[in-house]
Amino acid sequence: DVVLTQTPSILSATIGQSVSISCRSSQSLLDSDGNTYLYWFLQRPGQSPQRLIYLVSNLGSGVPNRFSGSGSGTDFTLKISGVEAEDLGVYYCMQATHAPPTFGGGTKLELK
Amino acid sequence: QIQLVQSGPELKKPGESVKISCKASGYTFTDYAMHWVKQAPGKGLKWMGWINTYTGKPTYADDFKGRFVFSLEASASTANLQISNLKNEDTATYFCARGQFGDWGQGVMVTVSS
Repeated sequence: DVVLTQTPSILSATIGQSVSISCRSSQSLLDSDGNTYLYWFLQRPGQSPQRLIYLVSNLGSGVPNRFSGSGSGTDFTLKISGVEAEDLGVYYCMQATHAPPTFGGGTKLELK
Repeated sequence: QIQLVQSGPELKKPGESVKISCKASGYTFTDYAMHWVKQAPGKGLKWMGWINTYTGKPTYADDFKGRFVFSLEASASTANLQISNLKNEDTATYFCARGQFGDWGQGVMVTVSS
């Protein structure tokens, strides 16, 4: 199975600060169809996951544009440009290029 | 709007069975796959498998072959997850998620305890 390694595991930030989360894959996530099936999710405490980004860099429906995704191959990044209080929770990357889909271990974003 | 509404929490004993439902609304049920995802208490997310809502064919991740069954009530736009011979390690929240994981149910907490 593809292993996704997220760093850092805990991220402390102040409101308004810009932060980045890294997701590194054990294999290239470029599919033979030309797509890269890399997603980012936010799980707020006590809630179900919410998809933020799909196909590396596409913003999900209703997701604020302070979130952005980038990367290719095996290295991917989620950036939050100006953290807001509602952004606190655990962030997960997920790949669906290779079966079975796998998730990263998560990055907890907390207030400094 | 699109909604996935799951059934309520369950408390079961080891060896018993449980059936969880995920009722979809706001879209054509058979147009999108339905995935199942497990989250043990305080842990991360694990993909269990998916069901083709058009053909009814299920696909299971290796760790979820044998005691886990995905099924459909397509006329009711509902996907089901049944777990038999429950074990303590099945204690978790189980989520359904649509298509490319753009919509999720609220999750069902299943507690297995003697």
